[in-house]
Amino acid sequence: SQQGEEDPQALSIQEGENATMNCSYKTSINNLQWYRQNSGRGLVHLILIRSNEREKHSGRLRVTLDTSKKSSSLLITASRAADTASYFCAGGSGGYNKLIFGAGTRLAVHP
Amino acid sequence: GAVVSQHPSRVICKSGTSVKIECRSLDFQATTMFWYRQFPKQSLMLMATSNEGSKATYEQGVEKDKFLINHASLTLSTLTVTSAHPEDSSFYICSQGSPQVNNEQFFGPGTRLTVL
Repeated sequence: SQQGEEDPQALSIQEGENATMNCSYKTSINNLQWYRQNSGRGLVHLILIRSNEREKHSGRLRVTLDTSKKSSSLLITASRAADTASYFCAGGSGGYNKLIFGAGTRLAVHP
Repeated sequence: GAVVSQHPSRVICKSGTSVKIECRSLDFQATTMFWYRQFPKQSLMLMATSNEGSKATYEQGVEKDKFLINHASLTLSTLTVTSAHPEDSSFYICSQGSPQVNNEQFFGPGTRLTVL
């Protein structure tokens, strides 16, 4: 399969807690991106980390990348009910940044 | 960022008919676009890379004669699902490729196809 793997497949937490999602990929990449998708809707780009970067922050998001292990993690701190969604990682490669998506994590944040 | 539109947003058709989905880049010339398919509760699977003025490049396992892609202009790529069957029911999403390697990709809002 072209897809990478993500774990956990589903995560259920209380508001205020942190949520950590992990992603592994199979091929060489130029960058690793994280996207969010609400049920039945389009994708929202969250953050991009380049292959020569190890960690990146954006607001409540923290992303790490370990190219030796071909893995990445997304941490959402102080989660909110509005963070409830599916989260996907995607490895970008090639001249036009073709993306191969991971399987995704369904996050449920309970008030 | 770039704006990508898709039309229609939702389509229901009878088995055996063909359905055309349009993907437009509204404010950027896109020599390359990507088409993805997403089944319920699953991830996005890349179907093909659409190249302006040349043939599309299909991923392994995707039938090029069933999923016809035309990229006749720098702002429009179309995906035609030919002789659609219920198993083709899915969420189809396009995105605009960026020639700059580490730029984010811009996605259309998706088209939900239901084949009866």
